[in-house]
Amino acid sequence: GAGVSQSPSNKVTEKGKDVELRCDPISGHTALYWYRQRLGQGLEFLIYFQGNSAPDKSGLPSDRFSAERTGESVSTLTIQRTQQEDSAVYLCASSLALVGNTGELFFGEGSRLTVL
Amino acid sequence: AQSVTQLDSQVPVFEEAPVELRCNYSSSVSVYLFWYVQYPNQGLQLLLKYLSGSTLVESINGFEAEFNKSQTSFHLRKPSVHISDTAEYFCAVSGGATNKLIFGTGTLLAVQP
Repeated sequence: GAGVSQSPSNKVTEKGKDVELRCDPISGHTALYWYRQRLGQGLEFLIYFQGNSAPDKSGLPSDRFSAERTGESVSTLTIQRTQQEDSAVYLCASSLALVGNTGELFFGEGSRLTVL
Repeated sequence: AQSVTQLDSQVPVFEEAPVELRCNYSSSVSVYLFWYVQYPNQGLQLLLKYLSGSTLVESINGFEAEFNKSQTSFHLRKPSVHISDTAEYFCAVSGGATNKLIFGTGTLLAVQP
């Protein structure tokens, strides 16, 4: 497809389980971002990848959260030992270049995570 | 570090009335400013952006925003809203050495007939 693809679209898990969320960016986009959107709240920055540079992990809320990206393609966000406060929509976005050059992030539909 | 404040969580307005959605930012460096929109059951998409040059920027559907450096604001305006403008609007900022795009908490524009 032409857009950012995220899977699964919905995930219900039990507290304490690990979950893995996947993002397929637009082909050729060098930058990839993960955000979290809790119910009724704004977008919380988690992490971004830019080409082969070290990722900016400054937004990850705890060491239970990690993310990887293979080259300039797929990224996975892993949440270990999930807690109820992890329930949110996790959004992935990709960009062709640095934000200041194009200013446009293309967002996926998100993965809705519910931790029971 | 950059930050964004959207003071209004919800703005109700009647159709064809003017609207202003407020956005203030904090940054110690030059900034790039954006408004994104999230229509019901859709993903976020870029509405308009300020990178440099003219401080007044416009979107294709009649919205405009003005970068005001002295007031550190980037308010979004439309002279006459439509029902179809009902959506969540997010202000965002980026700049300096970071490529992070920091979003505000969003403003729900609810247009009533």
